[in-house]
Order: sequence, then C-alpha cells, then structure tokens
Amino acid sequence: EPEVTQTPSHQVTQMGQEVILRCVPISNHLYFYWYRQILGQKVEFLVSFYNNEISEKSEIFDDQFSVERPDGSNFTLKIRSTKLEDSAMYFCASSVWGQLRGTGYTFGSGTRLTVV
Amino acid sequence: QQPVQSPQAVILREGEDAVINCSSSKALYSVHWYRQKHGEAPVFLMILLKGGEQKGHDKISASFNEKKQQSSLYLTASQLSYSGTYFCGTPGGSQGNLIFGKGTKLSVKP
Repeated sequence: EPEVTQTPSHQVTQMGQEVILRCVPISNHLYFYWYRQILGQKVEFLVSFYNNEISEKSEIFDDQFSVERPDGSNFTLKIRSTKLEDSAMYFCASSVWGQLRGTGYTFGSGTRLTVV
Repeated sequence: QQPVQSPQAVILREGEDAVINCSSSKALYSVHWYRQKHGEAPVFLMILLKGGEQKGHDKISASFNEKKQQSSLYLTASQLSYSGTYFCGTPGGSQGNLIFGKGTKLSVKP
C-alpha cells in the first residue's frame, strides 16, 4: 500500500527558530495538503498545493509559513520564526484528484513539533 | 464553516452499535469520514458524494442526507479495533479543501 512519508517524526526547536517539515506524497497523487493538530483537538487545514502552487490557504497559514515542492517529489512546510503556539502535530496528506472529484486523502504519520 | 459532530464521545461494549452524526450549516455535496487512533494519522474510511448515498465496508457504513445537510456513520456490532476518534470532513473554501469536525471519540470496551 503506497504511503505518505513524513520526516522528522519529532522535532524540538527553540522559539524564533526556523523549521522545515518534509513530506514525500504518493507518487501519482496530484494534490497535496498540510494540516495540523494541537494535542487532543481537531485536525486544522493549513494549505493545499496543486500544480506547483498554493491553491488555498487558511487563516492560520500566515506569512510565517511557506510551502515548496523543490524537486518534484518532496513537499515541504517551512515555519520561519516558530512560536510556542506552533507546537502541534503536523500532517501532510495527498490525494489523486482532490476533494472536488471525490477522492480520499492519504495522511502521513505526522511530525510532532515542540517549540520551547 | 466547520461541520458539527455529535456526540463528542461514546463508550460502548463490544458488540454494541453506535451512530455518529455530522451536520453542516452550508450546502454539502460530499462528506468524508476518517478514523484516527491515538498517536496515529487519520485514515480514510469512505466518501459520500450524492444525497441519499449509503456506503459501507465490514460493519461500518454511512449515509448522506443532502437536503438535511448531514451525514451519519453507523458502527454495527462494534469491535475493540473500532476504538479511536472519528472525524467527518466537508468541503470548505473555493477549492473544496476538507474542513474537519472536532471529532467523536469512540471507546469500545471488552
């Protein structure tokens, strides 16, 4: 079964530092997403990415955040200057056609980010 | 707009049934259901695309009432492996990216 792979599984960083979270989506998927989940709470949408550009972003996804697909396989989320409230589990997901055409999302196992 | 799930939590004995509801204040044309076990990623269960559609695999099924803007997930003869948090996801924004409800925590006891 194809998987979405995320690295690292856990990252601890100091407040104000930059972090890059990495994801390798399933190879034939075209739509990519980042979600985050603060401990025990709901899964929150951050950003979607299609055709090498952001297709939609939430209010959470402010100027501190950016996404890239630098080499056609990796999909990264960068947080420029981390804050304590950025501590969360960050999930990458991908789908074949996107929600509008009725395909489910495959989530990666997540990166637990702890900002101290 | 975030869909609303009910109940927030359910405790069952093995073999009992449960229903989890998901409703939206806006028109729906699809609903996703996912299950997340503790410390793991959400796993896709099913998607419903049409009003009146019902789907299922094993003893987990779902229905979608487009007019009422709601979907229900049915867990029949629950097993210990059904424990986890169930999320519904509905389209949000212009691109229809999934917005998830707050989840329903299901605990199945022996």
